[in-house]
Amino acid sequence: NAGVTQTPKFQVLKTGQSMTLQCAQDMNHEYMSWYRQDPGMGLRLIHYSVGAGITDQGEVPNGYNVSRSTTEDFPLRLLSAAPSQTSVYFCASSYKLEAFFGQGTRLTVV
Amino acid sequence: AQSVTQLGSHVSVSEGALVLLRCNYSSSVPPYLFWYVQYPNQGLQLLLKYTSAATLVKGINGFEAEFKKSETSFHLTKPSAHMSDAAEYFCAVIISGYSSASKIIFGSGTRLSIRP
Repeated sequence: NAGVTQTPKFQVLKTGQSMTLQCAQDMNHEYMSWYRQDPGMGLRLIHYSVGAGITDQGEVPNGYNVSRSTTEDFPLRLLSAAPSQTSVYFCASSYKLEAFFGQGTRLTVV
Repeated sequence: AQSVTQLGSHVSVSEGALVLLRCNYSSSVPPYLFWYVQYPNQGLQLLLKYTSAATLVKGINGFEAEFKKSETSFHLTKPSAHMSDAAEYFCAVIISGYSSASKIIFGSGTRLSIRP
């Protein structure tokens, strides 16, 4: 049972490039979320999904897109990367009152 | 709106000493509250959660937290610190109206250091 798997673990992008952060879970959870972690700010919710085909915005959605075509996958897209998006990104899947987090993707935008 | 405030971005204690990490919450409705731990270069792991049952909640690794409505607090404690407790700890609350952990508001985190 792998839990929540995020790829890649590390990524360096140039300003203006696009990329997709992958997130997959094998626990058949309906709820999935993306957070970014910045020093001194804890984790902030970017987007979340309550099931396949249903997504919504969190606290800091600007510059990010998501889709949920299957229960297992919840990719996060950066359409035009900016230095302000340098951060550590965590994907989580949740069941009732417990969230399970991936290991994170450390993204640097130069 | 729900929020949590963690007092102290860095706490340092000696091995064997009491650990106390402070968290205050703001919520207009009874909250669901959590403590998560993050070890270096790892994701977050749930330590314990308060769901309006017992006010004293016991978690993993000897940690516990007490929900005090009168003080709007949910402080995390451990009687005797161990070197392996060194990590960052996050207090969190679920956004009102949601009964799942899909929308969590996190505090800014407290880094716990343990002195030998």
